[in-house]
Amino acid sequence: DVKVTQSSRYLVKRTGEKVFLECVQDMDHENMFWYRQDPGLGLRLIYFSYDVKMKEKGDIPEGYSVSREKKERFSLILESASTNQTSMYLCASGVWETQYFGPGTRLLVL
Amino acid sequence: GENVEQHPSTLSVQEGDSAVIKCTYSDSASNYFPWYKQELGKRPQLIIDIRSNVGEKKDQRIAVTLNKTAKHFSLHITETQPEDSAVYFCAASTPRGNQFYFGTGTSLTVIP
Repeated sequence: DVKVTQSSRYLVKRTGEKVFLECVQDMDHENMFWYRQDPGLGLRLIYFSYDVKMKEKGDIPEGYSVSREKKERFSLILESASTNQTSMYLCASGVWETQYFGPGTRLLVL
Repeated sequence: GENVEQHPSTLSVQEGDSAVIKCTYSDSASNYFPWYKQELGKRPQLIIDIRSNVGEKKDQRIAVTLNKTAKHFSLHITETQPEDSAVYFCAASTPRGNQFYFGTGTSLTVIP
């Protein structure tokens, strides 16, 4: 069974804080993704990565950065959290067309 | 880039009735169309998918149809059950294969 885990299910941070969200997969997948999910907007791609140290911007990269130092781990970084980044963050990993999602991190920025 | 629209945003059906969710896409190069089901508080999970060389695919009570000319695809759930209640997302993927464009989701409620 594919396992995609995220470091936290719920997170509360203050405006201006630096926030790290971690995603780990155990299937040696090359592709990893970060989405945010908001009501009425569906899933929007923030960043994705095809390989270690490789990253590409998705549709809404502003205010975010990512890091992929190891194949199994893909981190999303909010350099200076803002209230409009309050959202559900979903990580996914996959091979070619198949994506497996993590359980999500619900982030609240106060 | 690709733009995927999904309708309706909410859908209520009586148990045993059918439910249909429709999506349109804009990029004629898109060739892979998965559907995900997300139950409350859980992660999205792939339930069925279809590739552009196929017009219809069925798996028990769920089926997906694709009209490449009109650039739309639909999810059909027959004999709905309360456990089908969830948010359903459609997506489209280009030949590059690994970037999905998701619809905005349909919240399906099956009334017992």
